[in-house]
Amino acid sequence: DTGVSQDPRHKITKRGQNVTFRCDPISEHNRLYWYRQTLGQGPEFLTYFQNEAQLEKSRLLSDRFSAERPKGSFSTLEIQRTEQGDSAMYLCASSSDRRLGYGYTFGSGTRLTVV
Amino acid sequence: AQTVTQSQPEMSVQEAETVTLSCTYDTSESDYYLFWYKQPPSRQMILVIRQEAYKQQNATENRFSVNFQKAAKSFSLKISDSQLGDAAMYFCAYRSAALYSGNTPLVFGKGTRLSVIA
Repeated sequence: DTGVSQDPRHKITKRGQNVTFRCDPISEHNRLYWYRQTLGQGPEFLTYFQNEAQLEKSRLLSDRFSAERPKGSFSTLEIQRTEQGDSAMYLCASSSDRRLGYGYTFGSGTRLTVV
Repeated sequence: AQTVTQSQPEMSVQEAETVTLSCTYDTSESDYYLFWYKQPPSRQMILVIRQEAYKQQNATENRFSVNFQKAAKSFSLKISDSQLGDAAMYFCAYRSAALYSGNTPLVFGKGTRLSVIA
């Protein structure tokens, strides 16, 4: 169990560019979550997957955001035409339905800066 | 929708002393889980302690304990014998226990920044 991995750790991009983040969950976890966290705030839910199915999307997830989890393994979060307001820490977490009450395991996050 | 409120943006404690962080939540559900997460500066979020709503006994993990008041919808975290390594953001979080009720992601409060003074 190597934990939840996120790549890259940091990303600086120019406004209007597209960016893609990757998350590798704990292998036996069937659920995968994306959260966004701005400075000094708590994580805000974006979307989650149960296996390969995307079951819920927050209204925070505008049309410029898309997430995938092919084959129920790793996940990608893409932001198109980035805006300065997209600057934040993007957190990925995973969990198992067999351990519902045990919370999530989080990755270290991807910090996005849009200049 | 469930909400989690942490009314203390910042707290400080002397090393070796005890500090209590407050959390209240709002829900119409009877079965759920509550969590405290710790996020050190520039490091990943880790689970500190968890509580199942159907259990009346307060959870304890070494120096960390909770005071769970279900009727009052209150879930405070007590850190005893505070250490310098306890300095971090602490987040209270709620999760429904209904596995297939639809949206069951963790709902977080805004956090409390804890400073430990040597």
